[in-house]
Amino acid sequence: QKEVEQNSGPLSVPEGAIASLNCTYSDRGSQSFFWYRQYSGKSPELIMSIYSNGDKEDGRFTAQLNKASQYVSLLIRDSQPSDSATYLCAVSRGAHDMRFGAGTRLTVKP
Amino acid sequence: GAGVSQSPSNKVTEKGKDVELRCDPISGHTALYWYRQSLGQGLEFLIYFQGNSAPDKSGLPSDRFSAERTGGSVSTLTIQRTQQEDSAVYLCASSLVTNTEAFFGQGTRLTVV
Repeated sequence: QKEVEQNSGPLSVPEGAIASLNCTYSDRGSQSFFWYRQYSGKSPELIMSIYSNGDKEDGRFTAQLNKASQYVSLLIRDSQPSDSATYLCAVSRGAHDMRFGAGTRLTVKP
Repeated sequence: GAGVSQSPSNKVTEKGKDVELRCDPISGHTALYWYRQSLGQGLEFLIYFQGNSAPDKSGLPSDRFSAERTGGSVSTLTIQRTQQEDSAVYLCASSLVTNTEAFFGQGTRLTVV
């Protein structure tokens, strides 16, 4: 079992729709969770962090964390073509390194 | 500097040569990570430094790879006797402390010919 798993996609949504990205992790001791966006040929850019169960909203983005289910998600409301990118889920395990999922490629169609 | 700085941006080297990649983290950040990303692939963890603690080297793919972090700041990733499969983008990230938000440099694209 991979430490951090994401659906590879591609995920395609129409402009204005809600995009839902999911991530599961294997280590119950994981403490910090992050979503990164990576445009083709660029380095990952942090868009959201979440540390406790529940929802965290930042503009059009909402991160959701459920530690009991070892599940973290990212919702993008009112999706725009500029949101088309690969979204990476990252999990930090205390005094250990930060591990990434393989990423979900999102395409928002005008 | 304001962000994580990596150098060089691009490096082309001949098979069998040694290369050094540099990462200058955000000032004051104690945690530093190295990752490798092959074309179309995810981020592969290589090594992690936290303050003065012994680094977590569990991700280094072979003994040809090594890294050091001098004075708790700048880090150098060294690849000896490079092979074609080492071709990838090498990414460095830093965070204030472990478990907090990490920020990436622009990466070094390594091509072994």
